[in-house]
Amino acid sequence: NAGVTQTPKFRILKIGQSMTLQCAQDMNHNYMYWYRQDPGMGLKLIYYSVGAGITDKGEVPNGYNVSRSTTEDFPLRLELAAPSQTSVYFCASSRRTGIDEQFFGPGTRLTVL
Amino acid sequence: GNSVTQMEGPVTLSEEAFLTINCTYTATGYPSLFWYVQYPGEGLQLLLKATKADDKGSNKGFEATYRKETTSFHLEKGSVQVSDSAVYFCALEETSGSRLTFGEGTQLTVNP
Repeated sequence: NAGVTQTPKFRILKIGQSMTLQCAQDMNHNYMYWYRQDPGMGLKLIYYSVGAGITDKGEVPNGYNVSRSTTEDFPLRLELAAPSQTSVYFCASSRRTGIDEQFFGPGTRLTVL
Repeated sequence: GNSVTQMEGPVTLSEEAFLTINCTYTATGYPSLFWYVQYPGEGLQLLLKATKADDKGSNKGFEATYRKETTSFHLEKGSVQVSDSAVYFCALEETSGSRLTFGEGTQLTVNP
């Protein structure tokens, strides 16, 4: 099993550009999550999904969009990049909530200039 | 709402020293509690967990006990190694919910 994979590892965007961060898991997990981690801070939840076709906002959803057309994939879309979106982005998945651990991808380091 | 507070870092210790990282929480229900570890350049991985009061989670020499009366889940290790250098995150998740709430993270550096 590859677990949770994320692409790209690094990306530099100009203000106003758009991009999609890819996330895939091969563990057949229903629950998937996107977090951002700012320097010296904990992780903040951007969006999450409880299954294909179902997504919901987390703490910091502004400026982002998600879709979940399959169980395996959960891409995160930035439409108009802003410097405030400079961060490290982590995708995670879990089998059940409240009890099971979340499995994290290696992260995408995004810089918006 | 839910929140998690960790002791401020960074923490620097010598090899074989005793480690405690404090974690307290606020929750409306009966959460599960977790410690995650992040090694340099990597994603987070679960270190240990406890799902109900008085449970003790343990892994790789680390331990934490779920204390409902003090709303705490302090991480301890009797003898740290250089390889334990990492950022440690305390987190909670409501059993009826679908999201983790993280603390700010504590950077641990262990010197030989």
